[in-house]
Amino acid sequence: AQKITQTQPGMFVQEKEAVTLDCTYDTSDQSYGLFWYKQPSSGEMIFLIYQGSYDEQNATEGRYSLNFQKARKSANLVISASQLGDSAMYFCAMSTYNQGGKLIFGQGTELSVKP
Amino acid sequence: ETGVTQTPRHLVMGMTNKKSLKCEQHLGHNAMYWYKQSAKKPLELMFVYNFKEQTENNSVPSRFSPECPNSSHLFLHLHTLQPEDSALYLCASSQALVAPQHFGDGTRLSIL
Repeated sequence: AQKITQTQPGMFVQEKEAVTLDCTYDTSDQSYGLFWYKQPSSGEMIFLIYQGSYDEQNATEGRYSLNFQKARKSANLVISASQLGDSAMYFCAMSTYNQGGKLIFGQGTELSVKP
Repeated sequence: ETGVTQTPRHLVMGMTNKKSLKCEQHLGHNAMYWYKQSAKKPLELMFVYNFKEQTENNSVPSRFSPECPNSSHLFLHLHTLQPEDSALYLCASSQALVAPQHFGDGTRLSIL
């Protein structure tokens, strides 16, 4: 069975500091993709970063980086230099070819950035 | 121009009404999705269309009826909904099935 686990319901970080949001996954498929999305209080889902299971380098997109540890089945999101606008829900998600691309989401982590 | 556009943004309807949600993507993607998100919960996949063909129906009640006339448009037809169907309905599209999905702003649906 495919599963995504986010163990941090809520996180606080001081503005300008870095924060790591945890995500572990479970799948028996060899080919899969891992994603992080941001959902502000307004509701839209904003795609942040993608990591393919065969990618050897960790993905980076601006202030976002994905710490991919395949053997440990973890895909933590690192946000550097936090900004007040980073306050939102963050969802880790996974899809696999064998599941027809069905995107499975974790429970989410609510990040609050303090000034 | 946003990549994925959903209308309406908000919808209030009675249980006996019939309405439709519309999703349009301008990204040239081949796959489109409907998700339901109840308050403070993760997204639940409802339907997947790939090249206009439905590839996934995640045990969705028949009062939700999707339609995909072409790769750019996706509809969700609603009839005789229940109060527990009140939620945020999000549409997404992706280039391929295992590729980043880009979401619309969602339709916030309230059933009276």
